[in-house]
Amino acid sequence: GENVEQHPSTLSVQEGDSAVIKCTYSDSASNYFPWYKQELGKGPQLIIDIRSNVGEKKDQRIAVTLNKTAKHFSLHITETQPEDSAVYFCAASVYNFNKFYFGSGTKLNVKP
Amino acid sequence: GAVVSQHPSRVICKSGTSVKIECRSLDFQATTMFWYRQFPKQSLMLMATSNEGSKATYEQGVEKDKFLINHASLTLSTLTVTSAHPEDSSFYICSARGAGGPETQYFGPGTRLLVL
Repeated sequence: GENVEQHPSTLSVQEGDSAVIKCTYSDSASNYFPWYKQELGKGPQLIIDIRSNVGEKKDQRIAVTLNKTAKHFSLHITETQPEDSAVYFCAASVYNFNKFYFGSGTKLNVKP
Repeated sequence: GAVVSQHPSRVICKSGTSVKIECRSLDFQATTMFWYRQFPKQSLMLMATSNEGSKATYEQGVEKDKFLINHASLTLSTLTVTSAHPEDSSFYICSARGAGGPETQYFGPGTRLLVL
């Protein structure tokens, strides 16, 4: 089955700096890669996703890059704000299949 | 955006009792619902997948007799933890997927279960 690894487990940045979280996956059949933000005591919220037919996708301060050959994808947050502080999870899936394989999560702390 | 609710948000029960958790899609019809378990500071582990009107598909290692899932309608799925024990204490999260692709999978806010 699929194995998704996520690094780092914790990340602390100063407000205004950029943050990068990286994930690798093992199954070359995976072609859908969402990123979720989870605040304390709440369920995950989708913040951005990418399909394997593109290498990069951007939405305001958030971007995701995908390298299919190396089987890794990354989340980039620019101009970080304290409200970006949360746990971020990457996931991998085969599009239209139901199962998501989640990474272990990254706790992002943005210091004001 | 689509909203998925869970009830209750927190529950404390005695060991040996059963607990039912509800998951509802409030503004869309969910063809498929998922139940996840999340231990503190860990990732989400899929427990089971359910389609309306059919039996749930459980992941390997998940006891189907202990975690009963019912998906009676396109907007409601329930997870019943039977004969709960302290090791069942966890954060249970459901998600519901609409008619579109996986980007239409929306997560509920979770239910914190504490078994004493």
